[in-house]
Amino acid sequence: ETGVTQSPTHLIKTRGQQVTLRCSSQSGHNTVSWYQQALGQGPQFIFQYYREEENGRGNFPPRFSGLQFPNYSSELNVNALELDDSALYLCASSLDSAQVINTEAFFGQGTRLTVV
Amino acid sequence: RKEVEQDPGPFNVPEGATVAFNCTYSNSASQSFFWYRQDCRKEPKLLMSVYSSGNEDGRFTAQLNRASQYISLLIRDSKLSDSATYLCVVRGGYQKVTFGTGTKLQVIP
Repeated sequence: ETGVTQSPTHLIKTRGQQVTLRCSSQSGHNTVSWYQQALGQGPQFIFQYYREEENGRGNFPPRFSGLQFPNYSSELNVNALELDDSALYLCASSLDSAQVINTEAFFGQGTRLTVV
Repeated sequence: RKEVEQDPGPFNVPEGATVAFNCTYSNSASQSFFWYRQDCRKEPKLLMSVYSSGNEDGRFTAQLNRASQYISLLIRDSKLSDSATYLCVVRGGYQKVTFGTGTKLQVIP
């Protein structure tokens, strides 16, 4: 077990709705990254939070937003859900600093979101 | 051109065989490189980081060629338990992390 937990594990939403996914990072980790993995594809980087600030973002529209809390847990919010948002959403935590780039990221087991 | 490209496979190899995967990346400013392993319907797990000097961990050897912008993973003496999807991961500036689509390996008895 990595110590990274995500909730819920599965979720079904209707097109147009909003969803919030949650991630508790591994103890001692200050960085959380979110990924979207469609079936048969590699994970796609959504964004990363470091010490409560977004410090990296992939090619996702603004309706994908996030938060990181003082305890370094994080939320991913998706507004105006579309059918193509159906995927496995993975959260990864790591201990990052400006000096240490080669740090391992530990993944949670993911939230499987289905939009109908 | 995709930022990170991998042959999706599948690579079907007999037990005991040696198999190699390559991954190319487009951003010459990329800073760090990894191989992750993902089992079916599970989360990715770090297999190994990749260093310019090359690195080995048991049956696994990873190499980085910055001039040609590719990384490789060599698996010797394949085991049934090596069957999985192997993801190439590249980290660039502004903390951007890019995964390849993965290469599926099936080790056959």
